[in-house]
Amino acid sequence: DIQLTQSPSSLSPSIGDRVTITCRASQYISNRLNWYQQRMGKAPKLLIYGATSLQSGVSPRFSGSASGTEFTLTINGVQSEDSATYFCQQGEDPPYNFGLGTNLDIK
Amino acid sequence: HLQLRESGPRLVKPSETLSLTCDVSGGSIHRSPYHWGWIRQSPGAGLQWIGSIFYDGGAYYNPSLASRAAISVDTSKNQFSLDLTSVTAPDTAVYYCVTWMTQSFVLYSDHWGQGVPVTVSS
Repeated sequence: DIQLTQSPSSLSPSIGDRVTITCRASQYISNRLNWYQQRMGKAPKLLIYGATSLQSGVSPRFSGSASGTEFTLTINGVQSEDSATYFCQQGEDPPYNFGLGTNLDIK
Repeated sequence: HLQLRESGPRLVKPSETLSLTCDVSGGSIHRSPYHWGWIRQSPGAGLQWIGSIFYDGGAYYNPSLASRAAISVDTSKNQFSLDLTSVTAPDTAVYYCVTWMTQSFVLYSDHWGQGVPVTVSS
C-alpha cells in the first residue's frame, strides 16, 4: 500500500500569513495527489486535484505543488474561514489512502 | 448540480450487517462520467477508502475490508449501497458516499454526501 506522511499535524497562523502543508508519499505516484479541506462537522471538500489543479469554485489563495514524492499545499494570506483540517489523498493505486491531516487553527 | 445523501440505521449490533444507501440527485448514475464509492472516518483510523463501483456494477474494494464489504448499484432508483458484514466496534465511524472522477489519469472525489454516523454497540 502507498502511505502518505503529512506534516505538520497542526498549525496556528495569524490572519494574512502564508501557510505550507507537506505530504510525502512512500513511493512515486506521479501527480496523483489530491488535497481536501474539512471544516468542523462537515464532509471533506476537494481543493486541489492532480497535485496542482485548483478545483472549480475554490479560492485562488490555495495552490499545490509537487517535487518527486513530496507534495505541498500552500495558502497565501490565510483567512478566518480557512480554519479546518486539511488532508492529502493518493489516487495512484488502491487502496486510495489519506494522510492523517493537518489541523489549522487561526489565531 | 449533483448531490449525494446517505441513509441507514445509526446503530448496529456487533456481528450484524451495516447497510447504507446513497441517493443521487441532479444527475444519472448510468449517464454520468463518475464512478461511485464509500469512505469512512473515525478518530482511530482517520479517513479510509472502503470501495468503489462503476454504473455497470463492477466494484473494487480496500483489501482490508474486501472480505466483509459489498457495494451495489441500482440504476432504476439512481442509488448505490454498502453492506458491511460482521461489524465490530472499530467499524464505528462516519460513513460518506462519494463520487470518483478521472481526469487526465488523475482520480479524485469531488462530491461528498453529508455523512452518516454509525455506532456499533449492543
